[in-house]
Amino acid sequence: EAGVVQSPRYKIIEKKQPVAFWCNPISGHNTLYWYLQNLGQGPELLIRYENEEAVDDSQLPKDRFSAERLKGVDSTLKIQPAELGDSAVYLCASSPRGGGPTDTQYFGPGTRLTVL
Amino acid sequence: GDSVTQMEGPVTLSEEAFLTINCTYTATGYPSLFWYVQYPGEGLQLLLKATKADDKGSNKGFEATYRKETTSFHLEKGSVQVSDSAVYFCALSASLSGGSYIPTFGRGTSLIVHP
Repeated sequence: EAGVVQSPRYKIIEKKQPVAFWCNPISGHNTLYWYLQNLGQGPELLIRYENEEAVDDSQLPKDRFSAERLKGVDSTLKIQPAELGDSAVYLCASSPRGGGPTDTQYFGPGTRLTVL
Repeated sequence: GDSVTQMEGPVTLSEEAFLTINCTYTATGYPSLFWYVQYPGEGLQLLLKATKADDKGSNKGFEATYRKETTSFHLEKGSVQVSDSAVYFCALSASLSGGSYIPTFGRGTSLIVHP
């Protein structure tokens, strides 16, 4: 079974530029999560999808961050414009249908963003 | 809001030593508790979990017991190996209103095991 796929693995951009991250969850997993992980910290939830619906997005900074999961499968997270403080690792995770907070999450390898 | 507090790392041990990594939590709901592990160069993966009070999660020789009275979920292993060197994350997830839930992670504890 293929794991969660993320691309790119690394991205270096200048501040004020846009950037996008892509995630393909494990086949059949209805729930998809995007997290931000700063150096030396644990993951912090940005947004959670159930199929194509964003159901927990209160922690997504909506002035510059956006996300979509149009067909309920893969997802894109975008930052526009990027700021120096956005340098971090962006993680995607998925979990099987229906279990809710008891579900195990399966994480991708992450995208390391550096904003210069 | 919910929070998870882990002991500071790095924890440095010799092979075959006993391991404890402390984790305490605060939650408004009735959370499920998790330990995730991140090996060097890899993504986070589930190590073990417990979904109700007094449950014990176990995997690969690691154990943790859900203690509601002390709001703790300490990770233990009787004899660590060099291959256990990794970063360990304690996490919780509790239902909120309207089917919402926000998984919350600790900052991670780095474990270094020497031969």
